[in-house]
Amino acid sequence: QKEVEQNSGPLSVPEGAIASLNCTYSDRGSQSFFWYRQYSGKSPELIMSIYSNGDKEDGRFTAQLNKASQYVSLLIRDSQPSDSATYLCAVVSGGGADGLTFGKGTHLIIQP
Amino acid sequence: NAGVMQNPRHLVRRRGQEARLRCSPMKGHSHVYWYRQLPEEGLKFMVYLQKENIIDESGMPKERFSAEFPKEGPSILRIQQVVRGDSAAYFCASSSPVGRETEAFFGQGTRLTVV
Repeated sequence: QKEVEQNSGPLSVPEGAIASLNCTYSDRGSQSFFWYRQYSGKSPELIMSIYSNGDKEDGRFTAQLNKASQYVSLLIRDSQPSDSATYLCAVVSGGGADGLTFGKGTHLIIQP
Repeated sequence: NAGVMQNPRHLVRRRGQEARLRCSPMKGHSHVYWYRQLPEEGLKFMVYLQKENIIDESGMPKERFSAEFPKEGPSILRIQQVVRGDSAAYFCASSSPVGRETEAFFGQGTRLTVV
């Protein structure tokens, strides 16, 4: 059973600080990793993808992947109230023949 | 992502009726995923399809639920004899894997309410 684990939160971060979201996965053969943002009542929106060990930066977002530890994280710099949402970690195993496996999500609250 | 189209956006059905949810993937995408999300819960995988093939239906309930992705037209998620517990948001996502890069984009979802 492939599992993706996230702390459900809520994670409360002051405006302007760095928000750090973490995710672990069970399938060592996983190849592709994604972070989605979901506002209440809306559909998930892809914000970051990462495929290789290390860091990947896009604007205020940085995804970090450590395959040896089976760990992927998302950092949000200069947090804004509009970043308040649920962040979903998703993993694809193998060569893409499997569907996305999602974690339950971390609820992030940015305090003005 | 506006490219994945789901309809209807909202669907109300009485217990025992059938619900048909449609998903048109992004242009060029050949892989479709269906997910269900109950209020205050995470996304739960239901089924993964490619054109004319069901690749993984491990998340589908054994009865009343079926899915298809025909050669022409949208993917359909069909729920027969709906019950109140089927009330949820149903999301479709599509992707077009290139090697290991399998970014998937979601439609706006169909909110099913069973009364």
